[in-house]
Amino acid sequence: QLQLQESGPGLVKPSETLSLTCTVSGDSISSNSYYWGWIRQPPGKGLEWIGNIYYSGRTFYNPSLKSRVTISLDTSKNQFSLRLSSVTAADTGVYYCAVPPTLMSWGQGTLVTVSS
Amino acid sequence: QAGLTQPPSVSRALRQTATLTCTGSSSNVGNQGAVWLQQHQGHPPKLLSDRNNQRPSGISERFSASRSGNTASLTIIGLQPEDEADYYCSAWDSSLSVVVFGGGTKLTVL
Repeated sequence: QLQLQESGPGLVKPSETLSLTCTVSGDSISSNSYYWGWIRQPPGKGLEWIGNIYYSGRTFYNPSLKSRVTISLDTSKNQFSLRLSSVTAADTGVYYCAVPPTLMSWGQGTLVTVSS
Repeated sequence: QAGLTQPPSVSRALRQTATLTCTGSSSNVGNQGAVWLQQHQGHPPKLLSDRNNQRPSGISERFSASRSGNTASLTIIGLQPEDEADYYCSAWDSSLSVVVFGGGTKLTVL
């Protein structure tokens, strides 16, 4: 059974870079069975897709975030990561790693607050 | 990118039936199908139905999904208090190569 767990700082200063890691267990991120991705949810609001990465390294990003987002794989650690640059208060929310577009598995989510 | 359209809220009485809708386009729901998610406050979303309208293991038979054209539907029969939650649909958009979400429907069980 696929399990995902997010980790990273819960507080990021405005204009800095948000960095999160998702540790995967139950399968290899080098498997061609899944896309690995990030989804966020601002407080009290709906879900927003950030982007996906395939085992080959091919990425797909939300056009509204594309200029600030990088998703990458670390096969040696069975992890994938999110970097979101130049953050503002609007980037505050719960960040989930998941397997879009099937969305069959989700991490528990991690709250990231952007504040000085 | 254009998202999927869901009614913001639906209310139904206990033990009644609720049908939630999700409208997209021919490049997402229409040819890729939609998945349905349930989210209780403070918890991550949980998959209720995959894009082929199949329930994952462990999901109650009270939940069933279908699609007609560019609109996907989730029907919940015999509503229970624990069904009160937010419900989201999502699909892959094959024209834009993006994942799209609906805005979510808050289901209230009266």
